Amino acid sequence: GQQLNQSPQSMFIQEGEDVSMNCTSSSIFNTWLWYKQEPGEGPVLLIALYKAGELTSNGRLTAQFGITRKDSFLNISASIPSDVGIYFCAGPTDSGAGSYQLTFGKGTKLSVIP
Amino acid sequence: DGGITQSPKYLFRKEGQNVTLSCEQNLNHDAMYWYRQDPGQGLRLIYYSQIVNDFQKGDIAEGYSVSREKKESFPLTVTSAQKNPTAFYLCASNLGTGGAGAFFGQGTRLTVV
Repeated sequence: GQQLNQSPQSMFIQEGEDVSMNCTSSSIFNTWLWYKQEPGEGPVLLIALYKAGELTSNGRLTAQFGITRKDSFLNISASIPSDVGIYFCAGPTDSGAGSYQLTFGKGTKLSVIP
Repeated sequence: DGGITQSPKYLFRKEGQNVTLSCEQNLNHDAMYWYRQDPGQGLRLIYYSQIVNDFQKGDIAEGYSVSREKKESFPLTVTSAQKNPTAFYLCASNLGTGGAGAFFGQGTRLTVV
């Protein structure tokens, strides 16, 4: 199936710093989704993007849908300790006959040093 | 409250035994999904279902089976044919349309000894 490549794989940052991570694909996506997963829990949807070039914010989080529709970016401003977790990008792929499956990247693991 | 519930949270089984993981949703979602998560591997799709009594294999279906007899329920059976069943299993659901974000359950950590 289609693959989503996330980078970086992991990040260690100081509290208060801004964070940037991205997700790329060799195929076009019509929707980009960003999730956060905390240890031992299921992922939680943070932001959904539906249009090329779209920029959407959710508090200190901002995500952008790349113009080529093959990439997306997530930024976190002024990081705090509770931002720790794994951030996943995801996109729906058409399996045919109106059926869709969600493809996930391998995640970016964020650690925040107080 | 609406949501998606997985049970149990932790499960231990002996090697060679089949085990069934429960997933129930009351969000009236058409589509449901099962993912497996291993460290550093992200989420890999096992099976998904767009409608009752129909389901499709994902990328790593071998050694697993599912059923979708009710809209609310999508149980996953890990069979003895699955060579490396110890993992974190996540169930998700969404409206089934192309742009719909999925909601996840809390996950079941299966350990086979």
